[in-house]
Amino acid sequence: SAVISQKPSRDICQRGTSLTIQCQVDSQVTMMFWYRQQPGQSLTLIATANQGSEATYESGFVIDKFPISRPNLTFSTLTVSNMSPEDSSIYLCSVRGGAVGYTFGSGTRLTVV
Amino acid sequence: TQLLEQSPQFLSIQEGENLTVYCNSSSVFSSLQWYRQEPGEGPVLLVTVVTGGEVKKLKRLTFQFGDARKDSSLHITAAQPGDTGLYLCAGEGGNNRLAFGKGNQVVVIP
Repeated sequence: SAVISQKPSRDICQRGTSLTIQCQVDSQVTMMFWYRQQPGQSLTLIATANQGSEATYESGFVIDKFPISRPNLTFSTLTVSNMSPEDSSIYLCSVRGGAVGYTFGSGTRLTVV
Repeated sequence: TQLLEQSPQFLSIQEGENLTVYCNSSSVFSSLQWYRQEPGEGPVLLVTVVTGGEVKKLKRLTFQFGDARKDSSLHITAAQPGDTGLYLCAGEGGNNRLAFGKGNQVVVIP
């Protein structure tokens, strides 16, 4: 299965600033997925990133707040913009690992103060 | 509305005991996946079940998919401290999107 390198692993940011999270995959994949995991909550899909096209956002998530780049088949970034304390969460990228499930990055733990 | 309900949310047991956790939904899924997540890590896939009534075993872990493909259970035999973690179930619909439950936090005390 694919191996994903996600960074940073954690960060503490001031409100109003932005943070860009990077995910590098060791193989070419068509779709990459970005999730948010809030304390005590499910993983919630933010958007699906396809190479060469704009990301598809889920209900409640917008491009201005969470811009995504997908410059090639092995790399994607998610930016959390104009952060507030409510954005404090774990952010995860994921790719489909063949027919049997998904592989996740190790996550980025974001704290906004 | 939570699409997938996992119960119990938290379970603490002694090493050597058995435990069962559940994942229930009113929706039908093409597949259901179980992941384990440890602190500071992303979820790691344990198993995917596809066929209604399917039972899969992974060492001391037994996974069952309900006949109607709406629910699943995970049974751990003779739990070990290394089984401690957050167990997440996720249902996959026809659009390749995963819907996750909140997880079962399992703590195995040595």
